[in-house]
Amino acid sequence: GAGVSQSPSNKVTEKGKDVELRCDPISGHTALYWYRQSLGQGLEFLIYFQGNSAPDKSGLPSDRFSAERTGGSVSTLTIQRTQQEDSAVYLCASSFGQGEYNEQFFGPGTRLTVL
Amino acid sequence: GQQVMQIPQYQHVQEGEDFTTYCNSSTTLSNIQWYKQRPGGHPVFLIQLVKSGEVKKQKRLTFQFGEAKKNSSLHITATQTTDVGTYFCAGPNNAGNMLTFGGGTRLMVKP
Repeated sequence: GAGVSQSPSNKVTEKGKDVELRCDPISGHTALYWYRQSLGQGLEFLIYFQGNSAPDKSGLPSDRFSAERTGGSVSTLTIQRTQQEDSAVYLCASSFGQGEYNEQFFGPGTRLTVL
Repeated sequence: GQQVMQIPQYQHVQEGEDFTTYCNSSTTLSNIQWYKQRPGGHPVFLIQLVKSGEVKKQKRLTFQFGEAKKNSSLHITATQTTDVGTYFCAGPNNAGNMLTFGGGTRLMVKP
């Protein structure tokens, strides 16, 4: 079956513009995560969705970042008024059920460059 | 809050040498997972350890979970260039509803 997919694979934008990044998790996976990874760095947790529960937004770095998940499936991460420090690879992952014992399946990521 | 630390951050080895990365948690973990990220790629699940003192092997890779379930290690015997990448450990957060990733160890192998 298909893995986690993300689009676009690359996005170049100008400072101050808004961007939307999309994630299609594996079918049947109820948990979805967004991470940010700057060049050569680790994984920075952004937000977590589990089923119909309220998302855990504790990792969002500012109010310019928001995410939603429609119908318990596809998720969109929106960054408003992008800044150069937002440049990074944005990774989405999904897992079956809550994340404690379940492995996370990562998508290929979206490389965001803010000029 | 819970922290998961990994050392070293970087390791250069000559092909054929052994490599070990260590993972330490500030709290006791119910399980620990290991992921590998190849250069330009995304993290891929390698293994999960659940039991105290557990040791699991995958070919040249040996994974260990400490007796106190607060630390773990990944040892690669006779590294090959295909082992190049960043190795992350991850443990459940305090709420037990998702994973906290360590900072990763980047392995570079000279042929």
